[in-house]
Formats: sequence, structure tokens, C-alpha cells
Amino acid sequence: AQKVTQAQTEISVVEKEDVTLDCVYETRDTTYYLFWYKQPPSGELVFLIRRNSFDEQNEISGRYSWNFQKSTSSFNFTITASQVVDSAVYFCALSGVIQGAQKLVFGQGTRLTINP
Amino acid sequence: NAGVTQTPKFRVLKTGQSMTLLCAQDMNHEYMYWYRQDPGMGLRLIHYSVGEGTTAKGEVPDGYNVSRLKKQNFLLGLESAAPSQTSVYFCASSSRRNRVNTEAFFGQGTRLTVV
Repeated sequence: AQKVTQAQTEISVVEKEDVTLDCVYETRDTTYYLFWYKQPPSGELVFLIRRNSFDEQNEISGRYSWNFQKSTSSFNFTITASQVVDSAVYFCALSGVIQGAQKLVFGQGTRLTINP
Repeated sequence: NAGVTQTPKFRVLKTGQSMTLLCAQDMNHEYMYWYRQDPGMGLRLIHYSVGEGTTAKGEVPDGYNVSRLKKQNFLLGLESAAPSQTSVYFCASSSRRNRVNTEAFFGQGTRLTVV
């Protein structure tokens, strides 16, 4: 079975603080993909990153960074020096290849509020 | 390039009425998905399709049916709408290119209210 857990329902920080969003996943597939999406108040879903199960390198893109740890089945997302425009709901997602048959499942989402 | 288009964007139904939501993608993607989004529940997978003529159940399939007669279209049907089906519905599509899963592309969503 595939499952994604985002234990943090809501996070509120002051602008310029760093914030980490947690994502823990479960899958029986040996090959799988992890994703992060952003949903701003306007409602659309914006793709942020994809990571495959064979690539455990951390990735940095501007103020965003992702930490993939297969040993703990986690794929955490950190925003450095947060800005008000980062306020959104963030979703972590998982798709498998064999048993997962391309089923794409999402976590419950974390609502991030950046206060000025 | 339109991407993923959902029709309609808003709809109000009376309990017991039926309707079909249409999702169309122009990216030649093999995989298509229907999700519902409710407050605090994230995106829950209703049904999905891995190719033309094939469909499979997701996490919350009860009360919904789907069809994928053409590769570019994925229809979600509600045969007898219930207030519990009030939600925002998202369609998405994705692919597998060079043995790599691509990211999913989403439509703008359909806000459905059942009264």
C-alpha cells in the first residue's frame, strides 16, 4: 500500500524565519517517485520538485531545499528566510512504478502561514 | 498548449441529480487521475486510469464512476449526488518518459455543491 503522512496540519511563522515541512511515506515499491506541490490561495496546484528513489542527493533551489532520507522514509522540505508569498498549502505526494502502478497519492497537506 | 482542462468550473446540484465532469488533456499523457479536496483531508484519489480503456479505483471510489474511452479524456460521473460529495474536484495527468515518472499536471478544479 502507498501512504503519505504530513503530520503538521498548520504552521505559522514570522517572515524571514526558516521553516521545515515534514513528509513521511510508505510504499512496497522499490522504484518510486516523491513530489512536492504548492497550492496558493488562488487554488491551483503548482509543481515544485520530483525525486526518484535512487537519488538521495539533497536539492536546493533558491530559498527552497529538500532532504530525502530513504532510511527514515522521509522527504522534508525547508524554506529558508520565508516570505509572505510562501503562504500556501503544501502537499507531498508519492507514485510507485510496479505495485503502485502509477497511482499517485497525496498527503493531507500542511497549511503554511507567513506573517509579516 | 492548454494542458489539463476541466469542465465545468462550478456546479450546484440537488440531491439525487446526476452529472458528469469532463477532463481533457492535450499532452498525450497515459495516466489520468480524479481527486477530491476537502478541508483538512488533502487530495484524495477517487479513480485513476493508466491508459485508454482502463480504469482503477483509488482511495474513495464509492458513489463515482469513470470512463476513459479516449486517451485525452477522463470522465467522472456522479449517478445520484449526495451532500457528502460537495467538494472541489481536481483532474490530473502524468506520463512515464524514458522510464521516469513525470510530475502530474493539474486542471483548475471544479467546485461542486450538492444541496
